[in-house]
Amino acid sequence: DVKVTQSSRYLVKRTGEKVFLECVQDMDHENMFWYRQDPGLGLRLIYFSYDVKMKEKGDIPEGYSVSREKKERFSLILESASTNQTSMYLCASSFSGGNSPLHFGNGTRLTVT
Amino acid sequence: DQQVKQNSPSLSVQEGRISILNCDYTNSMFDYFLWYKKYPAEGPTFLISISSIKDKNEDGRFTVFLNKSAKHLSLHIVPSQPGDSAVYFCAASYLTGANNLFFGTGTRLTVIP
Repeated sequence: DVKVTQSSRYLVKRTGEKVFLECVQDMDHENMFWYRQDPGLGLRLIYFSYDVKMKEKGDIPEGYSVSREKKERFSLILESASTNQTSMYLCASSFSGGNSPLHFGNGTRLTVT
Repeated sequence: DQQVKQNSPSLSVQEGRISILNCDYTNSMFDYFLWYKKYPAEGPTFLISISSIKDKNEDGRFTVFLNKSAKHLSLHIVPSQPGDSAVYFCAASYLTGANNLFFGTGTRLTVIP
């Protein structure tokens, strides 16, 4: 079974802090994704990566950056956290190819105060 | 702008009856469609998919129908079970490309015993 592990289930940070969200997958997937889920907005793509050291902006990249130094690990970085970044963050991975389903982690609930 | 829309935020159905969840999309270039199910405190899990060359795909109690001319797809669950109570997300993507998914806003299904 594919396992996508997000390092924290709940995180509380202060405005202006630098925040790191970590994600690890164990299926040798080429693609990795970061989404955020907000009520009434569904899942929105922040960034994705299709290979080590490669990254592409999604629909809402502002205020975020990512790092993929190893194939199995994809990190989301909030350079200076703001209250409007309070959200559920979901990491996913998949094989390359358009018909490969995404496998999601259980999410990190981030609260910025 | 939301390219994938689920206009019903919630749906309640009696156990044993049919659940029909609807989804509309605006981008005619989408050629692959998926349904995900999400329980509270868990990440979305892949349920069923359909490519644009088909108009129906079945997997046990779950059937997805695609009407390309109407840019509409639906998920039928027959018979509905209490364990099906979850939030269902419709998603769309391109078969060629980086496998990025565009998600709808979700429909919360409640199956009443």
